[in-house]
Amino acid sequence: GQNIDQPTEMTATEGAIVQINCTYQTSGFNGLFWYQQHAGEAPTFLSYNVLDGLEEKGRFSSFLSRSKGYSYLLLKELQMKDSASYLCAVINEGGGFKTIFGAGTRLFVKA
Amino acid sequence: GAGVSQSPSNKVTEKGKDVELRCDPISGHTALYWYRQRLGQGLEFLIYFQGNSAPDKSGLPSDRFSAERTGESVSTLTIQRTQQEDSAVYLCASSLVITTTNEKLFFGSGTQLSVL
Repeated sequence: GQNIDQPTEMTATEGAIVQINCTYQTSGFNGLFWYQQHAGEAPTFLSYNVLDGLEEKGRFSSFLSRSKGYSYLLLKELQMKDSASYLCAVINEGGGFKTIFGAGTRLFVKA
Repeated sequence: GAGVSQSPSNKVTEKGKDVELRCDPISGHTALYWYRQRLGQGLEFLIYFQGNSAPDKSGLPSDRFSAERTGESVSTLTIQRTQQEDSAVYLCASSLVITTTNEKLFFGSGTQLSVL
């Protein structure tokens, strides 16, 4: 089977740092994505990890540990516009390389 | 086109009617997905087309749901005898598959389906 778990909601303060965790169990693994989705809009790509380690891109970083089935998205210097849902998605090799999403984490950034 | 295009953007229908949703992927993208997103929920996988391979229909919730794709272009998702539980946003996404690793997904704006 396959399972992707994320916290349902998180709240953080403007200017702070927040870490959103994702754990997964899939029948095969071929990469992990993070997407951002603002309310009423389509998801947009943030990051992609296929090897262990940290990928940094501006204020956003994503980490992967394949042995632990674990990833996190790190958002620094939070801004109000970062209030959105963050979706963890795994390329499921055992499922014909299709992309499967977790339920998403709603992040609320407060002043 | 420049991006993934979905139509209609909104669809209101009566329970029991059939609906057809359309997706135009980015030109050259061989992979195409349909997802369903209920209000406040995550993306539920429905169906996946990859090139000339048989589609992966493992996410379709019932036999009322079906989807077709013409070559590597337009796809239609059909829901027959709609039920109120079918009310959701239906998102289409496409990606350029280079090797055996899927590239990132580009999403359309979705179709908001409301079944009365």
